[in-house]
Amino acid sequence: DTGVSQDPRHKITKRGQNVTFRCDPISEHNRLYWYRQTLGQGPEFLTYFQNEAQLEKSRLLSDRFSAERPKGSFSTLEIQRTEQGDSAMYLCASNLDTRTDTQYFGPGTRLTVL
Amino acid sequence: QKEVEQNSGPLSVPEGAIASLNCTYSDRGSQSFFWYRQYSGKSPELIMFIYSNGDKEDGRFTAQLNKASQYVSLLIRDSQPSDSATYLCAVTGPYGGATNKLIFGTGTLLAVQP
Repeated sequence: DTGVSQDPRHKITKRGQNVTFRCDPISEHNRLYWYRQTLGQGPEFLTYFQNEAQLEKSRLLSDRFSAERPKGSFSTLEIQRTEQGDSAMYLCASNLDTRTDTQYFGPGTRLTVL
Repeated sequence: QKEVEQNSGPLSVPEGAIASLNCTYSDRGSQSFFWYRQYSGKSPELIMFIYSNGDKEDGRFTAQLNKASQYVSLLIRDSQPSDSATYLCAVTGPYGGATNKLIFGTGTLLAVQP
């Protein structure tokens, strides 16, 4: 499978715990995006990487959230001290820095905070 | 005013009919327009993208863009029960923007009745 992959697919955690998600983009894609989607809403942008550089972070991304993309390959999104409001689907997307803006999404990680 | 607006539905159409899904956007500088399909519990799947005013056809799907009216639509001909899903409209900012992040509407739920 040469698409975007995410791990884990599901995560249940207790409030206050830290969680980390991983995204592996399509191999030649240099742009990587994280989005969050709650029930009944469209995905909301969280952060963006071009290669290893994090170029934009949404105001939605509180200081409990941190993302990295070492060496411009896979990316991780960490949430510290999780809250019930963090329960959502976390989506990763990637594309190539060309004229097209088309982004391809991974299967997502569904987080449930108890 | 939301940046991207869609009627949440549900839009119910009989099998074989044409389904018409609509979307308006607020940023006149938006350059790229996308329709994603999302089945319940799954991640968004790209259906079509359109950059220029007018119609773009791909199989049973036609995307229509009117930048003057800030309006984009998706027509699905010969609707099938398997088309039942939430359809997300997304736009990106002016070309050359730093991130080309996607701004999504809340989605329209389409139900195709057998």
